[in-house]
Amino acid sequence: AQKITQTQPGMFVQEKEAVTLDCTYDTSDPSYGLFWYKQPSSGEMIFLIYQGSYDQQNATEGRYSLNFQKARKSANLVISASQLGDSAMYFCANVPGANNLFFGTGTRLTVIP
Amino acid sequence: NAGVTQTPKFQVLKTGQSMTLQCAQDMNHEYMSWYRQDPGMGLRLIHYSVGAGITDQGEVPNGYNVSRSTTEDFPLRLLSAAPSQTSVYFCASSYSNGRGLKEAFFGQGTRLTVV
Repeated sequence: AQKITQTQPGMFVQEKEAVTLDCTYDTSDPSYGLFWYKQPSSGEMIFLIYQGSYDQQNATEGRYSLNFQKARKSANLVISASQLGDSAMYFCANVPGANNLFFGTGTRLTVIP
Repeated sequence: NAGVTQTPKFQVLKTGQSMTLQCAQDMNHEYMSWYRQDPGMGLRLIHYSVGAGITDQGEVPNGYNVSRSTTEDFPLRLLSAAPSQTSVYFCASSYSNGRGLKEAFFGQGTRLTVV
């Protein structure tokens, strides 16, 4: 069974500072993908970033970067220069093989002005 | 570009009633899936489809039925609604890059309450 663990139920960060949201995964599939999604209070799921298990470099998308440590099975999301609009729930998800997404329980991020 | 369209956005059902949540995508994606989101539990997979005519069960399939007659549509049927099915439902579509699924596009969600 796939397992995604997000150990931080809630995080606070000062505006303009960087923050790291933790995610560990457990899969036996040699090929997999890792996703991060943002869910604001309005409820929609917004794709942020993707990392493939065979990708040599850590993924980056604007202010988002993924700290991928394959041996430790961790895929932490780093948000640089936090903005008030970053306040939301953040979900890590794993796609083992060619299957579907398995989600963690999420981290609620609050950006403090 | 509409992406993934879910209807309705809100629904209240009485216990025992049946209904269908609609999901349509216009991106010609082969993969479609349904998730439910409950407080503190993240999103859990109900059913999924890897192409027209092919469906399979996810983590929490009991009480739900799906079919995939076309690439575009993937409706979710609640056979006999129960209060335990009160949740927010998300439909998603995605594509494979040959090594696995890439980005999954989500609908806006359906907030279902069963009384």
